[in-house]
Amino acid sequence: KAGVTQTPRYLIKTRGQQVTLSCSPISGHRSVSWYQQTPGQGLQFLFEYFSETQRNKGNFPGRFSGRQFSNSRSEMNVSTLELGDSALYLCASSLDPNTGELFFGEGSRLTVL
Amino acid sequence: QQQVKQSPQSLIVQKGGISIINCAYENTAFDYFPWYQQFPGKGPALLIAIRPDVSEKKEGRFTISFNKSAKQFSLHIMDSQPGDSATYFCAASTRGGADGLTFGKGTHLIIQP
Repeated sequence: KAGVTQTPRYLIKTRGQQVTLSCSPISGHRSVSWYQQTPGQGLQFLFEYFSETQRNKGNFPGRFSGRQFSNSRSEMNVSTLELGDSALYLCASSLDPNTGELFFGEGSRLTVL
Repeated sequence: QQQVKQSPQSLIVQKGGISIINCAYENTAFDYFPWYQQFPGKGPALLIAIRPDVSEKKEGRFTISFNKSAKQFSLHIMDSQPGDSATYFCAASTRGGADGLTFGKGTHLIIQP
C-alpha cells in the first residue's frame, strides 16, 4: 500500500510569491492534516480536512490556506511568501481522525529567498 | 505558550541502555498522547500512543508511562540500539487527535555502539 505522497519535495521561492503544495493520502484515508516543521518552532498544526471540509485550523495567518478534493487529495497554498515561511511542510493522512493515528509523508521543503 | 514541554533536547545512551524522554502538558482537556519517531529526511512515524485511562502501555522495547495527576508522560526505550538513533517527539491532542496534535520540541537521541 502506497504511503502519503507529497509533491514537490523541494522548492525555492522568493518573497512575495505564492506556492501550492500537494498531498495524496493513503488510499482509503479521508482525513488529511498539514503541519509546518521548523528548527525554531518545531512541528505546528496548520489545518485538517475531512471529506472536503476544513474541520480545524491552527494559529497561522490567513495567507495559509488549503483544500481537499473529492478523492481526498489535498493542497495547501501560501500566498505573499515571507522569509519565515521557509520550512518543511508535512502532510499526514488518517483513516479515522478520532483515533489519532497519523501517517506522515516525507514533506515538501520550502525555501524562501 | 508552549503546551507540551519535552526534555531533554538531546540524549546520548550507550547501546543496551535505557533511553528516557519526558514530557509535561498543561491542557487538562488533552486525551490522546502519542510519540513519534523521525529519521533525517523522513516524516514522523507513530511509535506508540496512550490515552489517560491507563498508566502504562508497552509495545516491544517501547513503553509509555503516564501520570495524569502530575500531567506528565514519558517514553522509555529498553535495550536501546543504534537503529533507535532519531529525533523523538511527544504530542498531545483533544478528541483523539481530531483537533490537531500539539508537539513537544523534540529530543535528538543518539545510541552509541
